[in-house]
Amino acid sequence: AQSVSQHNHHVILSEAASLELGCNYSYGGTVNLFWYVQYPGQHLQLLLKYFSGDPLVKGIKGFEAEFIKSKFSFNLRKPSVQWSDTAEYFCAVIPNQAGTALIFGKGTTLSVSS
Amino acid sequence: ETGVTQSPTHLIKTRGQQVTLRCSSQSGHNTVSWYQQALGQGPQFIFQYYREEENGRGNFPPRFSGLQFPNYSSELNVNALELDDSALYLCASSLEGPNEQFFGPGTRLTVL
Repeated sequence: AQSVSQHNHHVILSEAASLELGCNYSYGGTVNLFWYVQYPGQHLQLLLKYFSGDPLVKGIKGFEAEFIKSKFSFNLRKPSVQWSDTAEYFCAVIPNQAGTALIFGKGTTLSVSS
Repeated sequence: ETGVTQSPTHLIKTRGQQVTLRCSSQSGHNTVSWYQQALGQGPQFIFQYYREEENGRGNFPPRFSGLQFPNYSSELNVNALELDDSALYLCASSLEGPNEQFFGPGTRLTVL
């Protein structure tokens, strides 16, 4: 079945460590790609998005993601995490040839210790 | 600019009952999507409404139904509630097309 896969269920890091969260999708054709974040007690917020153009996209709070079409991947990165980055991170895809619904991965919980 | 709002915040129902959840879209948005988020899972698409018409549906049974009103607000109705319907229900608004969606805080539904 077509899907969005997030490789890490729970990631634990110390402050200042680098972060990379994996995301792969299995849809062909043109896709729009998103990373959303859900901080404790808050609603889902958009971190960054990719529609077209430069495959390296920059989002809020120092996050960036790289779209690698050949690998069907859209990994999220941050060079140096902070305690305030503790949250749940969701990768999501809109497979443009299959409607306009967001298809989410299962999410990665990031815990950052100070 | 007012964001997406949802009501109620929490709801407790018993099996077999019916529930209606409400969503007000962000100003200027004409499309509303509903998602179900079970504990420990990513949100799953239920359906989407555009200009008062259903514009796509996920793998949910017909007892999940919805409406969109002329002001683009929306309702999600669930009939014959089952225990597995316990989840966080998220509403998201957007412009039409494969665009960024803006999420509300959700309604936590518990079915006993």
